[in-house]
Amino acid sequence: RKEVEQDPGPFNVPEGATVAFNCTYSNSASQSFFWYRQDCRKEPKLLMSVYSSGNEDGRFTAQLNRASQYISLLIRDSKLSDSATYLCVVRGGSYIPTFGRGTSLIVHP
Amino acid sequence: DAGVTQSPTHLIKTRGQQVTLRCSPKSGHDTVSWYQQALGQGPQFIFQYYEEEERQRGNFPDRFSGHQFPNYSSELNVNALLLGDSALYLCASSSSGEANTGELFFGEGSRLTVL
Repeated sequence: RKEVEQDPGPFNVPEGATVAFNCTYSNSASQSFFWYRQDCRKEPKLLMSVYSSGNEDGRFTAQLNRASQYISLLIRDSKLSDSATYLCVVRGGSYIPTFGRGTSLIVHP
Repeated sequence: DAGVTQSPTHLIKTRGQQVTLRCSPKSGHDTVSWYQQALGQGPQFIFQYYEEEERQRGNFPDRFSGHQFPNYSSELNVNALLLGDSALYLCASSSSGEANTGELFFGEGSRLTVL
């Protein structure tokens, strides 16, 4: 089983839609969780950290479920500019972040 | 405030050759990590340098080696290149101090093609 697993997609949604991605992790001792965004042929950039109580940043909501070992990202009112690959990142006791393969999102008019 | 800079941005090599990639971390950062990202995959951790020493290493062969200099910049060396080494090589910097939020700051990467 991979340390961090994501559905690669692509998720193809119309503008204004709500879309959700899940990511599962295998190490129950994992301590920190993040979502990164990567545009085509560009470097990954931090979208948001994921806190135990869940957190929201504008149209984006991140949730953590430690019991089931998954994190989620919800995007409301999708924009064309949200089209990108969303990378789930988990950091365990070694403090080295482990990346999932990413989920591709395509928002169309 | 310069971000993470990497060079070269693109390069083409042939099998068996050696390559050196360079990275300058974001100002104020002292830790450099290197990642390999193959097409359609997430970044895979190669190793991390702190205080001029390799602190952690991922599942990569000894053909992959690195170095960190006193000014925190870093190099990644790959010997005896294989076709499978073709990928985007990303450098990420972070801070080890109290300001460390866990966020990695990436450079734009070096895209290596091995023919």
